[in-house]
Amino acid sequence: GENVEQHPSTLSVQEGDSAVIKCTYSDSASNYFPWYKQELGKRPQLIIDIRSNVGEKKDQRIAVTLNKTAKHFSLHITETQPEDSAVYFCAARTSGNTPLVFGKGTRLSVIA
Amino acid sequence: NAGVTQTPKFQVLKTGQSMTLQCAQDMNHNSMYWYRQDPGMGLRLIYYSASEGTTDKGEVPNGYNVSRLNKREFSLRLESAAPSQTSVYFCASATSGGDEQYFGPGTRLTVT
Repeated sequence: GENVEQHPSTLSVQEGDSAVIKCTYSDSASNYFPWYKQELGKRPQLIIDIRSNVGEKKDQRIAVTLNKTAKHFSLHITETQPEDSAVYFCAARTSGNTPLVFGKGTRLSVIA
Repeated sequence: NAGVTQTPKFQVLKTGQSMTLQCAQDMNHNSMYWYRQDPGMGLRLIYYSASEGTTDKGEVPNGYNVSRLNKREFSLRLESAAPSQTSVYFCASATSGGDEQYFGPGTRLTVT
């Protein structure tokens, strides 16, 4: 089955700097790659996603890139702010009826 | 809309006790999921239900049973709780073939 590896497990950046979180997946049939943000004590919420027919997607300060050949995708956060501090999870899925497989998460700390 | 709701929010059990975690969604979603979240382990799928009347095992099903009571409700039962089942449990739902999973607020379970 699908396996998703996520790095780094923790990341600290200065406010205003950029943050990059990387994930690799094992199943070349995977075609959907979402990113979830989980604030302390809260539920995970979708922040951005990308499909396998797209190489990059951007939404204001966040962007996701996908390299199907290398089977990896990344989350980029620019101009980080303290409210970006949270745990971020990547995930992958092969088809609409199969469950998402999540990475182990990255704890991002933005230092003011 | 309440979205995805879970009860209880917190629970403490003694080893060997049983309990049922309840989950309900009012978004008319076909698919529902149960995850457990442990520090450093990400979100691990316990069971899922792709549609009313069907359930399938996920990555960590041992020690759990589920019931898809109707389209709205998906319950998770621990028949004989063990300390290893101390965790935060999240329920989620999604449309069939849909992308975004909507998570409930979680249940924090401690087994002593």
